[in-house]
Amino acid sequence: GAGVSQSPSNKVTEKGKDVELRCDPISGHTALYWYRQSLGQGLEFLIYFQGNSAPDKSGLPSDRFSAERTGGSVSTLTIQRTQQEDSAVYLCASSLLWDRSYEQYFGPGTRLTVT
Amino acid sequence: AQTVTQSQPEMSVQEAETVTLSCTYDTSENNYYLFWYKQPPSRQMILVIRQEAYKQQNATENRFSVNFQKAAKSFSLKISDSQLGDTAMYFCAFMNSGSSNTGKLIFGQGTTLQVKP
Repeated sequence: GAGVSQSPSNKVTEKGKDVELRCDPISGHTALYWYRQSLGQGLEFLIYFQGNSAPDKSGLPSDRFSAERTGGSVSTLTIQRTQQEDSAVYLCASSLLWDRSYEQYFGPGTRLTVT
Repeated sequence: AQTVTQSQPEMSVQEAETVTLSCTYDTSENNYYLFWYKQPPSRQMILVIRQEAYKQQNATENRFSVNFQKAAKSFSLKISDSQLGDTAMYFCAFMNSGSSNTGKLIFGQGTTLQVKP
């Protein structure tokens, strides 16, 4: 079946603009995760969704970052007033259940470049 | 807070040979999961192997096996009969399995592995 998809694949934006990154998880996967991969910080957790609720937002780096998930499916990560340090690859992952034994399936990521 | 350390930023191996990637972690938890993920140039993260901390037996998946030393908090990955397609960045990751677990993965910094023909 289809894997996790993310769009856009690449995004170049000017400093100060807002961006939206989209994640389509595998159908039926109730858990969804956003991670950020950057040269200086490695791979870091941003936010976790179980269904439409986000019980763990501890990784969001500032209040410029927000995310939502609707219908227990698609998720959108929004970055307001982008800064150059936001440049990174944003990865989305989903898993079948909130169960630590289940594998997280990753999307191909969105490469964000803030100029 | 849990941390994961991969001390080898880059490694190389000849095709058909064996290579071992190192990973250490720090946690006060007794129950947890450890993973190795592979990220080829396509950026697609792929699970290579998983180990439950309560299991003493080391996990094995075909050419991939781990050496899990719980007391030493060490979790190395051995790749046997290396193939050109194994060229990728490899990430060691930790997941807490306690009652407050959210399933989030804590990653090491990664090791870039190049398999040479």
